[in-house]
Amino acid sequence: DAKTTQPPSMDCAEGRAANLPCNHSTISGNEYVYWYRQIHSQGPQYIIHGLKNNETNEMASLIITEDRKSSTLILPHATLRDTAVYYCIVRGSGTYKYIFGTGTRLKVLA
Amino acid sequence: ETGVTQTPRHLVMGMTNKKSLKCEQHLGHNAMYWYKQSAKKPLELMFVYNFKEQTENNSVPSRFSPECPNSSHLFLHLHTLQPEDSALYLCASSQDPGSQETQYFGPGTRLLVL
Repeated sequence: DAKTTQPPSMDCAEGRAANLPCNHSTISGNEYVYWYRQIHSQGPQYIIHGLKNNETNEMASLIITEDRKSSTLILPHATLRDTAVYYCIVRGSGTYKYIFGTGTRLKVLA
Repeated sequence: ETGVTQTPRHLVMGMTNKKSLKCEQHLGHNAMYWYKQSAKKPLELMFVYNFKEQTENNSVPSRFSPECPNSSHLFLHLHTLQPEDSALYLCASSQDPGSQETQYFGPGTRLLVL
């Protein structure tokens, strides 16, 4: 079973920040939080990952709470092309296994 | 473009056919993976190869037969499939299967079994 809980769907206005939450209350100390997205019928695309510090790259920012039990993926200026299913995955160091849940279906509205 | 390619992108086959899916990665990675994504279900890991050796078979039926001739190529041979095997089949690769190496996915092959 997936170790994460995400809302099934969210809407966001184009140009606004999209904040996608993820709960991972059973995360252990050596487990990373990964985010992927899947645009309709394509392969999942890596976005970002982190352990306990906040991370930022050209696609998004990842905010992890101090107790590491939840995180938020932030797309700073959502565009229509960001419409996709977003997956939050918890993965242990030293393991290759990604356990995908059902993700959050983000719809960016014009 | 992730550096992982899959062919064909779409495949329709009968239950008595034999077909193969191909995956190629151009990233110099050592680990390759097959995943299955059925309609409205999460991705399921099927097989893992590390340095051409199979290290994981996630209780996959024998009608699916993987082959990894080298670290850049991965095949999934299909025979006597069932309609419930219709799904999106995804290939991924990573530098190695452990640590925090990120997996990069191909575009997938959408398979329809009639």
